[in-house]
Amino acid sequence: KQEVTQIPAALSVPEGENLVLNCSFTDSAIYNLQWFRQDPGKGLTSLLLIQSSQREQTSGRLNASLDKSSGRSTLYIAASQPGDSATYLCAVKGSSASKIIFGSGTRLSIRP
Amino acid sequence: GAGVSQSPRYKVTKRGQDVALRCDPISGHVSLYWYRQALGQGPEFLTYFNYEAQQDKSGLPNDRFSAERPEGSISTLTIQRTEQRDSAMYRCASSWPGEGADTEAFFGQGTRLTVV
Repeated sequence: KQEVTQIPAALSVPEGENLVLNCSFTDSAIYNLQWFRQDPGKGLTSLLLIQSSQREQTSGRLNASLDKSSGRSTLYIAASQPGDSATYLCAVKGSSASKIIFGSGTRLSIRP
Repeated sequence: GAGVSQSPRYKVTKRGQDVALRCDPISGHVSLYWYRQALGQGPEFLTYFNYEAQQDKSGLPNDRFSAERPEGSISTLTIQRTEQRDSAMYRCASSWPGEGADTEAFFGQGTRLTVV
């Protein structure tokens, strides 16, 4: 049974810092991994999708990496801004025709 | 449509009533997922469709919960004889299960269900 864990559960850093959010999964046989952002009371916004054959994906100040063999992914946020404050969720899909399993998220707060 | 649409956005119902939550996926998306999310938690998987076929319903909590997608597009999640513990945000997502970026899942705004 696939389990997804995100550490830390909450993180507070001053504006301008680079930071890393961690995601680990127990079954390395994944199809893809997706990072989402969720603002309080809002829906989920897709940030980055990494296919199982890829090692990383980049979008602006965000970079996500994937190490399937160790069951880990990281989301790197460069030059953090107060607008980056949100909950970040990691989700894995086991095959092309399977459910997506989410972690509990990391609640990020960027202090001005 | 431009995105995943869920209705109603908010639903308040009395304990014991049945409720039906609707999800209209992105046009052309084959895969459709239902999730339930409690405050401060990640989305919890409920069920998953490919076209009209329910591929996985292992996350449905009990037999009061059911879902259908009869024509492979719009889906309905039905909760019978609602209980207070059913109160949560119910989210729907859709994706195209091909290779590459099209496998990205997109979520609707959710339906906030409150059982009183």
